[in-house]
Amino acid sequence: GQSLEQPSEVTAVEGAIVQINCTYQTSGFYGLSWYQQHDGGAPTFLSYNALDGLEETGRFSSFLSRSDSYGYLLLQELQMKDSASYFCAGGATNKLIFGTGTLLAVQP
Amino acid sequence: EAGVVQSPRYKIIEKKQPVAFWCNPISGHNTLYWYRQNLGQGPELLIRYENEEAVDDSQLPKDRFSAERLKGVDSTLKIQPAELGDSAVYLCASSGLTAYEQYFGPGTRLTVT
Repeated sequence: GQSLEQPSEVTAVEGAIVQINCTYQTSGFYGLSWYQQHDGGAPTFLSYNALDGLEETGRFSSFLSRSDSYGYLLLQELQMKDSASYFCAGGATNKLIFGTGTLLAVQP
Repeated sequence: EAGVVQSPRYKIIEKKQPVAFWCNPISGHNTLYWYRQNLGQGPELLIRYENEEAVDDSQLPKDRFSAERLKGVDSTLKIQPAELGDSAVYLCASSGLTAYEQYFGPGTRLTVT
């Protein structure tokens, strides 16, 4: 089967660094995407890893290790507005399969 | 540039009633997706269109759900009859050349009573 597992909740303080992990069991994934979704809002694309290694986009970085079936999203200099749900999504043939999602709560 | 447009934003219906959702994707995006998102879970793909062709509808409950994208642009998702378990947010998304970066609409929050 195809599944992506994430911690259900993570709490961190403003200004800190937080890592959201994603482990997957699937065949045929060609990359890992990350999406952010604020409460009541639409998922928005954050980053994509096609190859193993680290991709950096401003305060956000994403990592992929295909051999370990593992990836993570790293958020630095946390801000209150980063409080949201974060989803990893595995790229299958012309579609995405979304993970279970992680609710990030940023505290002052 | 306008994003993905969906309507209505909210819908409350009684069970056994029909309901329809409409989506207009980003101009030029050939691929359109319909997802269902239950509370506290990730979006689950219902159907994917490439232009006007439904190329992946394996997760669509075909006994009650139907969808169309007649001219390869906007799309309609229908449920008839609705059941209590259909209460969820229905999201439409579109993408260009790659599926890993999808653009989502605001969704329709359906409540079946």
